[in-house]
This record gives sequence, C-alpha cells and structure tokens, in this order.
Amino acid sequence: DAGVTQSPTHLIKTRGQQVTLRCSPISGHKSVSWYQQVLGQGPQFIFQYYEKEERGRGNFPDRFSARQFPNYSSELNVNALLLGDSALYLCASSLAGQGDSGNTIYFGEGSWLTVV
Amino acid sequence: GNSVTQMEGPVTLSEEAFLTINCTYTATGYPSLFWYVQYPGEGLQLLLKATKADDKGSNKGFEATYRKETTSFHLEKGSVQVSDSAVYFCALRLAGSARQLTFGSGTQLTVLP
Repeated sequence: DAGVTQSPTHLIKTRGQQVTLRCSPISGHKSVSWYQQVLGQGPQFIFQYYEKEERGRGNFPDRFSARQFPNYSSELNVNALLLGDSALYLCASSLAGQGDSGNTIYFGEGSWLTVV
Repeated sequence: GNSVTQMEGPVTLSEEAFLTINCTYTATGYPSLFWYVQYPGEGLQLLLKATKADDKGSNKGFEATYRKETTSFHLEKGSVQVSDSAVYFCALRLAGSARQLTFGSGTQLTVLP
C-alpha cells in the first residue's frame, strides 16, 4: 500500500511568490497534518484537518493556509513567500482526528521549498 | 506551554557501542511520548512510543521508558550499528488534542564502523 505521498519533492520560488504543496494520505486515513521543518530543527506544527475541517492551527502567520478535499487529500498554500519560509514541509496522516492517542501518525518524505 | 528538550548533538559512536539520547518534556496534562527517526533524504518514521507513565516502548533494539517523575523519555540501544546513523526526534502529543506533535530539535547520530 502507498504511504503518504507529497508533491512536488523539490521546488524553488522567488520572494513574494505563492506556492501550493500537495499531499495524499494513506488510504483510509481521514486526518492530515502539515509541519514545517527548518534545516537543523525539529518539525513545527502548522495545521491539522479532519473530515475537511480545520481542527488545529500552529503559530504561523495568515500567509499560510490549507484545505482538505472530499477524497481527504490536502493542499498547503503559502503566500508572499519570505526567505525564512525555506524549509522541508512534511505532511502526516492518521486514521482518527482527535482523542485516540493510540493512532499512529505517518509522515511523507516532504517537499523541499527554497525561497530565493 | 508544551515543549521537548533533547540532548544536543551530534553524537558519534563506534559500532556496537551503547547509545543514550536524553529527552525531557514539559506538558500541561498527560502526554503520549514518541521517538521518530529521520534517515538522510527521507521523511520521519515512528521508532517507538509510550502512552502512559512507566510504559516502555521498544523497536529494532531501541527502548525508551516513560518516566513521569522525571518527565523524561530517554532513548537507549545496547549495541548500535552503522545503519542506525540518522537524526532522532523526541516528540509529545497531548491526549484529546488534535493530531499535533511537539518535537524536540533532533539529535544527529553517526555510527562509525
């Protein structure tokens, strides 16, 4: 079975541009989360979506937005890119949305974004 | 707020050496604790987890015990291999919360033959 898949794997953007990153969760998983991992640091939580609704938001500016589609895939959008947005963006999926601490969270391999 | 503090790296060991990577946490409530591993060029993989105090998580020879009294979840392995070279992340998730993991900054492990 396919794991969490993300696209594109690498991309380069210019400051001020906009970017859209895509994620397909593991089949049957309804929860998708996004994380930003700056080089040399641990991942930081950006968003979580469950059943197409936002269920959690980290401490990121409004330039970051996301959505989840009826097939549970998700997009992360970042507007007005800054140099500091350069990072690995990780998508994660799990079965349940909240409350079930036993559900494992699976990560994709990420999308490397470089802003120049 | 919630936070995870990891032993700073990088850590370099010889093959078959004993490994300890320290992890302590601060949390409001009772978190589940995790160790994730990230191999070069890859995403995060769950290594092991523990969901309540005194639980021991184990996988692939790695172990970690949830110590509520010391708010710690140290990762150990008795005999490391070259293939264990990776970045290791300690993380927590609060019970009942969204699927939100709080990560430490990671510890780079290099095992030399």
